[in-house]
Amino acid sequence: DTEVTQTPKHLVMGMTNKKSLKCEQHMGHRAMYWYKQKAKKPPELMFVYSYEKLSINESVPSRFSPECPNSSLLNLHLHALQPEDSALYLCASSQGQWTSDEQFFGPGTRLTVL
Amino acid sequence: SQQGEEDPQALSIQEGENATMNCSYKTSINNLQWYRQNSGRGLVHLILIRSNEREKHSGRLRVTLDTSKKSSSLLITASRAADTASYFCATDASGATNKLIFGTGTLLAVQP
Repeated sequence: DTEVTQTPKHLVMGMTNKKSLKCEQHMGHRAMYWYKQKAKKPPELMFVYSYEKLSINESVPSRFSPECPNSSLLNLHLHALQPEDSALYLCASSQGQWTSDEQFFGPGTRLTVL
Repeated sequence: SQQGEEDPQALSIQEGENATMNCSYKTSINNLQWYRQNSGRGLVHLILIRSNEREKHSGRLRVTLDTSKKSSSLLITASRAADTASYFCATDASGATNKLIFGTGTLLAVQP
């Protein structure tokens, strides 16, 4: 199974809501990533987990809270978001946390914040 | 910023033609990857080229790397309508080996 799955596919939330994005992979990968992508822009790295520990936080606002419950799952908890947080949120995984490793991406969650 | 600049920003060609897109970056790298993204979907890895390699092939893809010019090119030969997508190069961030920075992307449209 070489697939990364993400749920939900679409999410609309108000600025006072709390929601979570979920990502799952069963390739035995030990690194997992969250990216944010605005329309017509490249993906921007948000967080990296390596061996279930947060290894990189790209100065992301605290209204985004990542969690890695186990080596196959990655969550992104959302709270008090702003309309400018509307974007495609992509999850990815790789064998290890090296740039020589191919990253496998999920289809993304399209988030709209009202 | 290490972010790669890609050109052209957009490219429209006919099926069967070749498509070339270029990526330039600013600092030394360990390797460079190319990814494809169909509209609003996840990215798919195409090819990786290491800093000590000059050219690499994979099917209809040919990638070159010129570290002296800090640039790479992706050639897709005999293009198909299914090749319509955005293409991104990705490099190590300032030579760090633990995260990728994606370039600005080229939007390729292949007309049937």
